[in-house]
Amino acid sequence: NFMLTQPHSVSESPGKTVTISCTRSSGNIASNYVQWYQQRPGSAPNIVIFADNQRPSGVPYRFSGSIDSSSNSASLTISGLKTEDEAHYYCQSYDHAFWVFGGGTKLTVL
Amino acid sequence: QVQLVESGGGVVQPGRSLRLSCVGSGFTFSSHGMHWVRQAPGKGLEWVATVLYGGETQYYADSVKGRFTISRDNSKNTIYLQMSSLRAEDTAVYYCVRWTTTAVYYDLWGQGTLVTVSS
Repeated sequence: NFMLTQPHSVSESPGKTVTISCTRSSGNIASNYVQWYQQRPGSAPNIVIFADNQRPSGVPYRFSGSIDSSSNSASLTISGLKTEDEAHYYCQSYDHAFWVFGGGTKLTVL
Repeated sequence: QVQLVESGGGVVQPGRSLRLSCVGSGFTFSSHGMHWVRQAPGKGLEWVATVLYGGETQYYADSVKGRFTISRDNSKNTIYLQMSSLRAEDTAVYYCVRWTTTAVYYDLWGQGTLVTVSS
């Protein structure tokens, strides 16, 4: 089984762009889809990116996802930051009989 | 309306058992794999267990294998998590979560139920 490692926290100013990384410990990042969830305090998580780079309906175009095989990592990029984007973000992937989340990244928009 | 509602959380002593339930409504329950995901206070998300469509196949995280049992009753649109030999580290909000029919991501979460393991 593999692990997903995220930075503990990131911060950026409103209107700017931020990227959150998610590094897979073993195996190829491209072997299994990566998802990203947003969790605000006191609420359940919500999907913002699925299948590496797909945006569900209702999620703003400001959110995008990608994978990089050279660094074996996935990334979530949020452009035009808004204060409402302040939340925890979790990457998630799976393999046969195994689902895994990254440790989460606290995004502060200040 | 489309929703998942968990119940059964509470305070339980170490070593004791507890059963969580989750009722789904507003969708074809038997078409989805269903999961339990937990979140310890102030911590991240942790996958716990999965039961596939008919209930015949289950998967577990190593941290709960042999202690927890996931099951489902599609006639009642309900999944269960039977937890035994509970430990302090099992203290968490337990979320019932739906996996999409395309089997790609979690698309519906319950509100969560808090389990506190303490003497």
